Amino acid sequence: EVQLLESGGGLVQPGGSLRLSCAASGFTFSDHPMGWVRQAPGKGLEWVSSIGSVGDATLHVDSVKGRFTITRDNSKNTLFLQMDSLRAEDTAIYYCARRTNVWLDSWGQGTLVTVSS
Amino acid sequence: EIVLTQSPATLSLFPGERATLSCRASRSVSTYLAWYQQKPGQAPRLLIHDTSSRAAGVPARFSGSGSGTDFTLTISSLEPEDFAVYYCHQCNHWPRTFGGGTKVEIK
Repeated sequence: EVQLLESGGGLVQPGGSLRLSCAASGFTFSDHPMGWVRQAPGKGLEWVSSIGSVGDATLHVDSVKGRFTITRDNSKNTLFLQMDSLRAEDTAIYYCARRTNVWLDSWGQGTLVTVSS
Repeated sequence: EIVLTQSPATLSLFPGERATLSCRASRSVSTYLAWYQQKPGQAPRLLIHDTSSRAAGVPARFSGSGSGTDFTLTISSLEPEDFAVYYCHQCNHWPRTFGGGTKVEIK
């Protein structure tokens, strides 16, 4: 069974940093590109970042470029999202998701990031 | 950026009725369109990919159609567990984008 377990969320002040992790199991992690999608409270879904299966081809939505960095460690089956210079508008549940072909076919339960003073 | 516009925002129906949800893209996404279902407090679940292919375990009452800029998700006969929010998602262009969602609620 595919499992994705996010961690690392919490309360942070504006301008601060957080590092999210996503531990994957139940599939061959290194075979799949991965991504992060976020959802602000009461709002819709927003794609944030994607990374290729070997850690290449990283992409980010314009609103986080230069502040967020997506990486992965295939030896530990773990996906990361380093978030710096956080803003109030980054407050959201952050989901990690597995890509198969181009589709996000499995999602974790999410971790809540709150940016507030 | 591709903008996906979903309509209606809310659909109020009785169990057993047919639901028709629309997703319109600001320019062509070919057939690279997916549908997700999200229930309160849960992660999204992939229902349909490539416009019309059901994901594993998705009941046959869910079907997708369309191409280019106009897409439809149809639920042929609503079951109690189908009342949720549905999002369309395009994977033809970067950045990937989602529609604003359609809430299917019990009438």
